[in-house]
Amino acid sequence: EVQLLESGGGLVQPGGSLRLSCVVSGFTFSNYAMSWVRQAPGKGLEWVSAISGSSATIYYADSVKGRFTISRDNSKNMLYLQMNSLRAEDTAIYYCVKEREGDCRTGVCFDYWGQGTLVTVSA
Amino acid sequence: DVVMTQSPLSLPVTLGQPASISCRSTQSLVHSDGNIYLNWFQQRPGQSPRPLIYKVSNRDSGVPDRFSGSGSGTEFTLRISRVEAEDVGVYYCMQGRHWPLTFGGGTKVEIK
Repeated sequence: EVQLLESGGGLVQPGGSLRLSCVVSGFTFSNYAMSWVRQAPGKGLEWVSAISGSSATIYYADSVKGRFTISRDNSKNMLYLQMNSLRAEDTAIYYCVKEREGDCRTGVCFDYWGQGTLVTVSA
Repeated sequence: DVVMTQSPLSLPVTLGQPASISCRSTQSLVHSDGNIYLNWFQQRPGQSPRPLIYKVSNRDSGVPDRFSGSGSGTEFTLRISRVEAEDVGVYYCMQGRHWPLTFGGGTKVEIK
């Protein structure tokens, strides 16, 4: 059974930092690209960042570029999101999301989502 | 960036009746290999998003066959043939063809 479990969320002051983690199980982690997607309270979904299985390819949304860093440790089945210079508008639930491979090789399809971890940026 | 526009924003439906949600993209989602990367997700109240449909019309594992997807190029539709109480929630389309990935604003399905 595929499982994604995020942690690391919490309350942080504007300008502060936080590192989110996502531990996965039930699949060969190194074979799959992963993403972080966030959802502000009462709002829609916003893609944040993606990383390939080998970490060779990384993408960021413009809203977080230069402030957030995605990484992974395939030996530990862990996905990370280092968030620096946090702003009030970064307040959201952050989901760890697995990409489907197979017949989605040339584009992105998501097939599993974690339960999310809440990040609140407030003084 | 590719903008995804969903309509309607809110969809009151009678139990047992059909429902339809539209999603439009500002750029074609067709890859040169012929695949079209348009996905649909369901988010029930208080839950994480759940994958429903990938590449326009492929149902994810465990998704009832009352859900179907169609479309091509820049216009797509999610249909529920007979709405059940468990279908209440917000539905999102997402394009997986161009970076950055982008979602539609969501359509809230509720029971009349």
